[in-house]
Amino acid sequence: TQLLEQSPQFLSIQEGENLTVYCNSSSVFSSLQWYRQEPGEGPVLLVTVVTGGEVKKLKRLTFQFGDARKDSSLHITAAQPGDTGLYLCAEGGATNKLIFGTGTLLAVQP
Amino acid sequence: NAGVTQTPKFQVLKTGQSMTLQCAQDMNHEYMSWYRQDPGMGLRLIHYSVGAGITDQGEVPNGYNVSRSTTEDFPLRLLSAAPSQTSVYFCASSLLAGGSEQYFGPGTRLTVT
Repeated sequence: TQLLEQSPQFLSIQEGENLTVYCNSSSVFSSLQWYRQEPGEGPVLLVTVVTGGEVKKLKRLTFQFGDARKDSSLHITAAQPGDTGLYLCAEGGATNKLIFGTGTLLAVQP
Repeated sequence: NAGVTQTPKFQVLKTGQSMTLQCAQDMNHEYMSWYRQDPGMGLRLIHYSVGAGITDQGEVPNGYNVSRSTTEDFPLRLLSAAPSQTSVYFCASSLLAGGSEQYFGPGTRLTVT
């Protein structure tokens, strides 16, 4: 069974700071998705990465897929309070199952 | 277009009781799944379905049953609730299987006493 480890588990920062969260796997990803979940709601897809070394940008968020496709990172520039939430990576594609990581809980203080 | 809907929003059960968590989607998605979310453990897949009449087990299927008689509906049944099943349950759907975007419902918060 593929295991997805996310780090850090919890992150509390001030508005305007930069941060990076990580997602690591015990085996090669077929594809990797990043979701954000706000309190009381279901997760919402941010991005899907497929190719090793791929970099995608979504406004202040930069997603990178490792060359060996066993790790991924999410970098947020100049964090805003609206970025607060649980960030989840998920691996899917090789099977019919989408497996989620353990999550990084981000709190951005104004 | 309501997306994915779940009922109820909240539920309290006593140990040994049974209940069904309802999930429906109006996007004509073939793939539907159920997850549970516990603190510090992300989302864990319970059961999933790749189409009407087809279901399969996920990571944590014990204590749960599912069926998929229509494309739209994917109910989750707890036959004999246990305190270990206290969790938040999310239903999701997607156009294709595991690698495509999952659309999640708002969740059901279940407490078993």
